[in-house]
Amino acid sequence: QVQLVQSGAEVRKPGASVKVSCKPSGYSFSSYGISWVRQAPGQGLEWMGWISVYNGKTNYAQKLRGRVTMSADTSTSTAYMELRSLRSDDTAVYYCARVLGATYYFDYWGRGTLVTVSS
Amino acid sequence: DIQMTQSPSSLSASVGDRVTITCRASQSISRDLNWYQQKPGIAPKLLIYAASNLQSGVPSRFSGSGSGTDFTLTISSLQPEDFATYFCQQSYSTLWTFGQGTKVEIK
Repeated sequence: QVQLVQSGAEVRKPGASVKVSCKPSGYSFSSYGISWVRQAPGQGLEWMGWISVYNGKTNYAQKLRGRVTMSADTSTSTAYMELRSLRSDDTAVYYCARVLGATYYFDYWGRGTLVTVSS
Repeated sequence: DIQMTQSPSSLSASVGDRVTITCRASQSISRDLNWYQQKPGIAPKLLIYAASNLQSGVPSRFSGSGSGTDFTLTISSLQPEDFATYFCQQSYSTLWTFGQGTKVEIK
């Protein structure tokens, strides 16, 4: 069955960077995209961006451009999301989700990675 | 960016009630609208894609309708496991966005 396994919780200081991994299984990694969605404590869902694993093309939410990089390593079937210049309002659970091309909905999700930014 | 506005932000309902949640887009998004259910501490779950298509394994009491700017998620007979928060998401533009969520609580 399809699963997306994410890396564990992280704590960072303001100004630092964090890199979260997402390792899918149960399907052909290159046949789908991976999107990243975050959720601050008690808040709604915020779409961060996505990567087409097939061709490496990325698209990022406007407010995060310049601070976020999404990548995919086809040799290890792992997707990554790096967020730089962290601020306290980046504290959130970060989810990866499989994206079905052409229709662009998120049909399978990881369990989430809590990133805490605190001095 | 296309803004998605859900209403209401929260509602109280009883088991067996018919529940309707609305999602409005700031511009036409054709039928590129998806619905998710999220329970506390758990990742969201896809319910409906492309406005009205039921995701595999989702109970038939869930249905979606609409096109253009106005969309609806309906739960025909609310069950105890349906108390959760529901989000819409547009996939029309290259910058996808979610609604702010609708929390369905027990009356």
